[in-house]
Amino acid sequence: DQQVKQNSPSLSVQEGRISILNCDYTNSMFDYFLWYKKYPAEGPTFLISISSIKDKNEDGRFTVFLNKSAKHLSLHIVPSQPGDSAVYFCAASFLSGTYKYIFGTGTRLKVLA
Amino acid sequence: DAGVIQSPRHEVTEMGQEVTLRCKPISGHDYLFWYRQTMMRGLELLIYFNNNVPIDDSGMPEDRFSAKMPNASFSTLKIQPSEPRDSAVYFCASRQTNTGELFFGEGSRLTVL
Repeated sequence: DQQVKQNSPSLSVQEGRISILNCDYTNSMFDYFLWYKKYPAEGPTFLISISSIKDKNEDGRFTVFLNKSAKHLSLHIVPSQPGDSAVYFCAASFLSGTYKYIFGTGTRLKVLA
Repeated sequence: DAGVIQSPRHEVTEMGQEVTLRCKPISGHDYLFWYRQTMMRGLELLIYFNNNVPIDDSGMPEDRFSAKMPNASFSTLKIQPSEPRDSAVYFCASRQTNTGELFFGEGSRLTVL
């Protein structure tokens, strides 16, 4: 049973435009969410996170939005650059107690020059 | 810091052989995780340790899989006997209790023929 779902396996966006990556989760007890970026032949690297007390967190070109009632989060990249082409994983966890990180299946983003 | 170090980076073996993957977490990190990346399931949590003690191994697919952490700087994931469906990239990751970020190694790509 997939607790964290990324329903779009791939996404293509023109350079300079906005990229929107989506993630849904089923467990309402999750209170900490992260996005990771992965290039081929490398390990995933941390991108941005958000706790459930916030609905938005911004870091440069990257913004994560959290909609707790819909159990949905999204990552916005503005403007998109060719170097952003990678696989993006969302993950959900708990700020205390069990420290399991549950990842989604990933979305491959391709930014076209 | 050298980051999370995994070995081997690539392993090709024949069905039925024993496979051992190794991980050195970041010094001072008290949580260690083993993940497996596949197309169908994305990043799948296999097992995680806290202070060298296994906390949750519910993601370990079968009894053929075992993991140990004999000390704070070393962990192994063993598959015996290996099968072609075990072919995947296996990642090790570590974190500190009071920080949210998970740091990944570069992964071990396993191919079982």
